[in-house]
Amino acid sequence: ILNVEQSPQSLHVQEGDSTNFTCSFPSSNFYALHWYRWETAKSPEALFVMTLNGDEKKKGRISATLNTKEGYSYLYIKGSQPEDSATYLCALMEYGNKLVFGAGTILRVKS
Amino acid sequence: DARVTQTPRHKVTEMGQEVTMRCQPILGHNTVFWYRQTMMQGLELLAYFRNRAPLDDSGMPKDRFSAEMPDATLATLKIQPSEPRDSAVYFCASALDRANEKLFFGSGTQLSVL
Repeated sequence: ILNVEQSPQSLHVQEGDSTNFTCSFPSSNFYALHWYRWETAKSPEALFVMTLNGDEKKKGRISATLNTKEGYSYLYIKGSQPEDSATYLCALMEYGNKLVFGAGTILRVKS
Repeated sequence: DARVTQTPRHKVTEMGQEVTMRCQPILGHNTVFWYRQTMMQGLELLAYFRNRAPLDDSGMPKDRFSAEMPDATLATLKIQPSEPRDSAVYFCASALDRANEKLFFGSGTQLSVL
């Protein structure tokens, strides 16, 4: 079973700040890396799925990169807004389609 | 919009009672996952299926939990007998069986065992 670690555990920023979180994993032996956004009292929603070393994905002010050789993925949010407040989950899809989640990074954006 | 449907949304029961949670995956999705939301581990994988066949249920306490897919449109998670430590939110998710496909989550079943 792959061990997925996310840091920091939580983050408080001011509106307009840019921020980033890290997802780290010990091995490149997986199919894909997923990022999900999970708002309080809602269900997780997918942001990105990345499969190749060097992959970069972007959706509005949010972007992500994947480095399988060094075992990490970064999620960036440019110009954070209060509506970005959520828990951001990283997950690895192992061979066999088993998706294992990290504990998440809680982001709070103050206006 | 296609979505994963979970029932019930909320369940309050007494210790020792049987609990059944149901999930209707998105039509055409052949991979179904059951997760439990915990304080310590975030989303804990309990079981998952591909084409209705269970692939891994190592995350479930086998003595009391069981997961099945009677048909392609229904997945069930049962707890018998339930215990207070089972209180949590249980999520079902479905996806197409391809490496770069994202999961779609249901709204969850909030279970309280008194």
